[in-house]
Amino acid sequence: GAGVSQSPSNKVTEKGKDVELRCDPISGHTALYWYRQSLGQGLEFLIYFQGNSAPDKSGLPSDRFSAERTGGSVSTLTIQRTQQEDSAVYLCASSLKWDRTYFSGNTIYFGEGSWLTVV
Amino acid sequence: GESVGLHLPTLSVQEGDNSIINCAYSNSASDYFIWYKQESGKGPQFIIDIRSNMDKRQGQRVTVLLNKTVKHLSLQIAATQPGDSAVYFCADARSGNTPLVFGKGTRLSVIA
Repeated sequence: GAGVSQSPSNKVTEKGKDVELRCDPISGHTALYWYRQSLGQGLEFLIYFQGNSAPDKSGLPSDRFSAERTGGSVSTLTIQRTQQEDSAVYLCASSLKWDRTYFSGNTIYFGEGSWLTVV
Repeated sequence: GESVGLHLPTLSVQEGDNSIINCAYSNSASDYFIWYKQESGKGPQFIIDIRSNMDKRQGQRVTVLLNKTVKHLSLQIAATQPGDSAVYFCADARSGNTPLVFGKGTRLSVIA
């Protein structure tokens, strides 16, 4: 597609249930990022994938959160045993590559997010 | 820990006036900053960036100022329009190994 696609766009789930959020990055982008945006807050880094390298999971808030990226393309963020504090917008982004030295802000593209509400 | 933050959570301006959105950072090693605009229901979009070897950079109707002495940057929007209403984030792209450290954001509301 032309941009980063996320699904579902909205999800309401009961506390304790598992949820899966999907991200389809821009074709050819090797780097994929997940961020979480709670109401009235900034974007909190969760995890990023760079090609076939092991993902940087340093931002995952607990072991209930996990993510995978199959075939270097689509990624799924899974939240197990959801809690009310997990309610947030989960944003996915992709770029050609993440390089701390050469990164340029206009090369990363964000999806519209998946709005998760845990009741 | 290191963080990027904003002075004001909300800003209301009259259409046609100039807007100034501020941001403070704490990582003295940070050398590249980005401003993003997020409209309701959408993901952040790139506006402008600045590297630490500069203190000012101009784009179309936007100017970013960087003061490394006090670790502060600002985004100035000239002749603010209703379409500028959004949440604006500054981000530090070089803070350690985390891809993009975002501040909390400032919500800009333009009064027609």
